Amino acid sequence: EAQVTQNPRYLITVTGKKLTVTCSQNMNHEYMSWYRQDPGLGLRQIYYSMNVEVTDKGDVPEGYKVSRKEKRNFPLILESPSPNQTSLYFCASSLGPNPHANYGYTFGSGTRLTVV
Amino acid sequence: QKEVEQDPGPLSVPEGAIVSLNCTYSNSAFQYFMWYRQYSRKGPELLMYTYSSGNKEDGRFTAQVDKSSKYISLFIRDSQPSDSATYLCAMSPNAGNNRKLIWGLGTSLAVNP
Repeated sequence: EAQVTQNPRYLITVTGKKLTVTCSQNMNHEYMSWYRQDPGLGLRQIYYSMNVEVTDKGDVPEGYKVSRKEKRNFPLILESPSPNQTSLYFCASSLGPNPHANYGYTFGSGTRLTVV
Repeated sequence: QKEVEQDPGPLSVPEGAIVSLNCTYSNSAFQYFMWYRQYSRKGPELLMYTYSSGNKEDGRFTAQVDKSSKYISLFIRDSQPSDSATYLCAMSPNAGNNRKLIWGLGTSLAVNP
């Protein structure tokens, strides 16, 4: 089954304790992205990656890191989490650049992170 | 003013009703328009994808884009309780380096049996 898999689904952590949220896709998609979703603010892009070893900042990158060492994996790293990073996080992937292709995203099921 | 405006609802309709969901936008460069459905505790899933103006139909769902009015719509015919979800519109100016989408905040829909 074509899918984007995120882990963990739920995570409660303490301020300052480094954590990683994993994301893996099995569709051979070139493009991957991380979003956070907050009430009243909607989906906001954190980082994206056009391909292996190619990453760039989205709208809200502060406090986050990413890496893309393999095409299928795109982990999100919070080096020193703070309470304002409490949110629902989604990883998404899509096909490579083709202006007339359907480049809708496939989303993972989400990771609900609480930082206390 | 946000680039994409979407009424958050909630919208409550009886089963079998025709549902109309809408988004307005301000950026005339937007060319790609999408509707996503998000069930509670799940990630968004792509429902409809439209390039430029016009209508697109898929089963009970019809997407319309009116670029002259900067207005997009999603119609759901014969709505079912399983359609109860949040519907998000998303759009983009091009298929450039960042497949960045500009999202609406979503409209919450409840279809009552």
